[in-house]
Amino acid sequence: DVKVTQSSRYLVKRTGEKVFLECVQDMDHENMFWYRQDPGLGLRLIYFSYDVKMKEKGDIPEGYSVSREKKERFSLILESASTNQTSMYLCASSFSGTVYNEQFFGPGTRLTVL
Amino acid sequence: GDSVTQMEGPVTLSEEAFLTINCTYTATGYPSLFWYVQYPGEGLQLLLKATKADDKGSNKGFEATYRKETTSFHLEKGSVQVSDSAVYFCALLNQGGKLIFGQGTELSVKP
Repeated sequence: DVKVTQSSRYLVKRTGEKVFLECVQDMDHENMFWYRQDPGLGLRLIYFSYDVKMKEKGDIPEGYSVSREKKERFSLILESASTNQTSMYLCASSFSGTVYNEQFFGPGTRLTVL
Repeated sequence: GDSVTQMEGPVTLSEEAFLTINCTYTATGYPSLFWYVQYPGEGLQLLLKATKADDKGSNKGFEATYRKETTSFHLEKGSVQVSDSAVYFCALLNQGGKLIFGQGTELSVKP
């Protein structure tokens, strides 16, 4: 069974802290993605990666960075957390080169920044 | 740019009612279209897809037809169940390989 896992389901941090969100997939997918989900806004793409050590900015990269040192792991980093980064964060992965590139999602991490 | 617009929720229905959630899109070329579902406390799951005009995607009693002439991909189910309560997202995969989501529609089904 395909699986995308995220390190935490719920996380509470303080303003200014450095935050790491981890995502691991076991499907040998080339592509990995980080989204944030906010009510009324749907999912917005933060960053994505097409290969190890490669990264591309999505629609809302400000305040975030990412790391992909291994194919199965994609980390989202909040260098200095702020209250407007309180959100649900979803990781996804997919194969490259397929007709429709279905993305498989993790369960999400609900981050609260106080 | 490319975009997806869904009907606003929440949608509240009684069990066995007919469901329609409207979705329209704007995109260049011929995008693939998807419906994802998010059950409470979970991530998104692919519900159904269609990759070309007039294709009908179907799964778990849900259906959606890719209508290029009206740029629509409305989700339908003939008889909803309480277990269908979830948030439904319409999405398109554009020519650049980017998945673009609508804002989501929350469905609540009452017994």
